[in-house]
Amino acid sequence: DVKVTQSSRYLVKRTGEKVFLECVQDMDHENMFWYRQDPGLGLRLIYFSYDVKMKEKGDIPEGYSVSREKKERFSLILESASTNQTSMYLCASSSLPEKDRYNEQFFGPGTRLTVL
Amino acid sequence: AQSVTQLDSHVSVSEGTPVLLRCNYSSSYSPSLFWYVQHPNKGLQLLLKYTSAATLVKGINGFEAEFKKSETSFHLTKPSAHMSDAAEYFCVVSDSGSKTSYDKVIFGPGTSLSVIP
Repeated sequence: DVKVTQSSRYLVKRTGEKVFLECVQDMDHENMFWYRQDPGLGLRLIYFSYDVKMKEKGDIPEGYSVSREKKERFSLILESASTNQTSMYLCASSSLPEKDRYNEQFFGPGTRLTVL
Repeated sequence: AQSVTQLDSHVSVSEGTPVLLRCNYSSSYSPSLFWYVQHPNKGLQLLLKYTSAATLVKGINGFEAEFKKSETSFHLTKPSAHMSDAAEYFCVVSDSGSKTSYDKVIFGPGTSLSVIP
């Protein structure tokens, strides 16, 4: 069974803390994504990576950074957490278009982050 | 530019009655289309995807969607709702014509489905 796992389901942090959210996929996918999900706003792309050590900004990258040192792992970093970063964070992965032209994304269970 | 419109933010049906969740899209290329479901505090699960092999697509849990190019629609249906169908549903469009490693995927805002006993 293919899987995308996220390190925590629930996380509570204080303002100003550095926060790491980890995502691991076992499907040998090239593409990995971080989204945040907020009521009424749907899913918004923060960053994505199409290869090891490669990254591209999504629609809302401010206040976030990412790291991809290994193909299977994609980390989202909040350098200094703020209350407006309280949200549900979803990680996803997908294959290359030449392998899967339909670009199906596979999602992890999500991390609900609360910043106090 | 691609976009997705989900015409209803919330739909409520009685158990055993049909479900219709509406989705319209715009795409410059030949699109890939998906429906995902999200149960409370869970990740997104793929219900079905349009692969261009057939306009009527069957998915899991009895859901279907019909691709209508002339109407640029991809509505999701189920003949008989079950209590376990209560969830958030997302229509998604992806440009399957691009040759780049990343194809921008656009999520609709979601439709919340309630099922009344």
